[in-house]
Amino acid sequence: GDSVTQMEGPVTLSEEAFLTINCTYTATGYPSLFWYVQYPGEGLQLLLKATKADDKGSNKGFEATYRKETTSFHLEKGSVQVSDSAVYFCALMLWGYQKVTFGTGTKLQVIP
Amino acid sequence: EPEVTQTPSHQVTQMGQEVILRCVPISNHLYFYWYRQILGQKVEFLVSFYNNEISEKSEIFDDQFSVERPDGSNFTLKIRSTKLEDSAMYFCASSGLAGTGELFFGEGSRLTVL
Repeated sequence: GDSVTQMEGPVTLSEEAFLTINCTYTATGYPSLFWYVQYPGEGLQLLLKATKADDKGSNKGFEATYRKETTSFHLEKGSVQVSDSAVYFCALMLWGYQKVTFGTGTKLQVIP
Repeated sequence: EPEVTQTPSHQVTQMGQEVILRCVPISNHLYFYWYRQILGQKVEFLVSFYNNEISEKSEIFDDQFSVERPDGSNFTLKIRSTKLEDSAMYFCASSGLAGTGELFFGEGSRLTVL
């Protein structure tokens, strides 16, 4: 079935470090890909998305590129801040369906 | 800013009891969802709901689960006879547009079954 695999956390970085959170997917069709973020005490919220191969989603300094050849959608940020501490979820959705399939989430902790 | 609200934030129940988790989606949204996350595991899809009926459901969503939109604003998840393995965080979500994957989530209801 369709699934998303993320790197396990927690990931601990110093402020201003470079962030990569790996995500790969398996899908029977042609999915749209997403990164959601969950800040402490809050619900998940959409961070960025990409709907076709080679698309780059970006928001708040975060980027991810849809790589069909490697079935990946890695999340990157050039310089993390303490306020980026959260749990990050990679997700996919097949065209024509309502279901969004999530990964296990990767906890990011940024220390000053 | 409009938001999805869920109640209760935490419920403790005995095995075999019925539980109702409530959600108020964003008012002009048409698509509604329940997800759950068992501690340390994936956020799992349970069900999607549109036009007063279930549009998709997972294998997890068996006969002990049901959903309802009783009054045009609330969206509820009922678990008829809870089991220990139902202990999880349950998230409600809503979406205004079909097929975008842009879901708006509530903060979750933590269910503990003893």
